[in-house]
Amino acid sequence: QSALTQPASVSGSPGQSITISCTGTSNDVGGLNYVSWFQHHPDKAPKLIIYDVSQRPSGVSNRFSGSKSGNTASLTISGLQAEDEADYSCSSFTHSTTLVFGGGTKLTVL
Amino acid sequence: QVQLQESGPGLVKPSETLSLTCTVSGDSISRYYWSWIRQPPGKGLEWIGLVHYSGITKYNPSLKSRVTISVDTSNRQFSLRMSSVTAADTAVYYCAGNIAGSSRTYWGQGTLVTVSS
Repeated sequence: QSALTQPASVSGSPGQSITISCTGTSNDVGGLNYVSWFQHHPDKAPKLIIYDVSQRPSGVSNRFSGSKSGNTASLTISGLQAEDEADYSCSSFTHSTTLVFGGGTKLTVL
Repeated sequence: QVQLQESGPGLVKPSETLSLTCTVSGDSISRYYWSWIRQPPGKGLEWIGLVHYSGITKYNPSLKSRVTISVDTSNRQFSLRMSSVTAADTAVYYCAGNIAGSSRTYWGQGTLVTVSS
């Protein structure tokens, strides 16, 4: 199984919006609504910020939103804040009930 | 809310077998698919495999020949065994759970395993 494709890095200024893409295939992202997004800070466990493409766990800011079009899922962060600087990874279940991750995207808040 | 805690040796010698256990609390073990995921230093997350209480297992094809994941419902635990480890297997290992029918993921805190003589 191939990893999902994410940009290596994105950046934005405080208050701006950024979008991180996550491209897979019809066997995973495009064929199922089981895409998740995680935020990682160094030396901490990943934090779930979006699941099932667009659902937000309680306690996660509504500045984070998820969507999907075809084989590409997207994470949008609006009103960027310094604390959003972190690595972001996507994952998707596949039709064969395996799990595949993206390579991760480093977000820099300028 | 379900909580997970990894346990096991932090240092494993090359060619030996890595063994980790994840203890589950806070919810029924039968509701979830249980995964092992790792993150080598400076790299992204890699899914290792999963197990369901029914005995269903799925593995990452790139690791399948060396990995066994099992579940012990009576002790509310699931385990990872990875044989013939090398330095490339050095990583933070996480256990995680997904409720069946959702990608909502609950994570353990992670445990660093170093492969070195």
